[in-house]
Amino acid sequence: EVQMLESGGGLVQPGASLRLSCAASGFSFSNYALSWIRQVPGKGLEWVSGISASGSTTFYADSMKGRFAISRDNFKNTLYLQLHSLRAEDSAIYYCAKVRVVGATTGPFDFWGQGALVTVSS
Amino acid sequence: EIVLTQSPATLSLSPGERATLSCRASHSVSSYLAWYQQKPGQAPRLVIYDASNRATGIPARFSGSGSETDFTLTISRLEPEDFAVYYCQQRSDWPLTFGGGTKVEI
Repeated sequence: EVQMLESGGGLVQPGASLRLSCAASGFSFSNYALSWIRQVPGKGLEWVSGISASGSTTFYADSMKGRFAISRDNFKNTLYLQLHSLRAEDSAIYYCAKVRVVGATTGPFDFWGQGALVTVSS
Repeated sequence: EIVLTQSPATLSLSPGERATLSCRASHSVSSYLAWYQQKPGQAPRLVIYDASNRATGIPARFSGSGSETDFTLTISRLEPEDFAVYYCQQRSDWPLTFGGGTKVEI
């Protein structure tokens, strides 16, 4: 059974940094590209960042480029998202998600974690 | 970036009725469009991928059609568990983008 479990969310002040983790199991982790997608509670979905299966290629939404960094550890079956210079508008639920097929990088996303809530407030 | 516009924002229907949801892309995405269902407090669930393919475990009452810039998700006969928010997503180009969602309500 595929499982993806995010952790590391919480309440932080504007300008702070935070690292989210996504521990995965139930599939061959190193063969699948992954993404982070966020959602302000009650609002729509926003793709944040993606990473290839090997970790050699990364992609970012323009508004996050330079502030967020995606990475993965294929030995620990874990995906990460480092968030820097956080702003109130970064407050959201952050989901990790895997692509449906080996070789794809852009989706679609067939399994999602339950999300980690990040709140940026003073 | 490719903008996806979903309509209507809200669809008010009864169980047993047919639901037709639209997703329009600002540029061609070929057939690289997916649909997701999201219920309150849950993560999104993949329903349709590559415009017309049902994801694993999705009932046959869900169908997708379209290509290039115009796409439709149809639920032939609504079941109580189908009332949710539906999002489309394009994977044709970076950055990946989602539509704003259509809420299917009773």
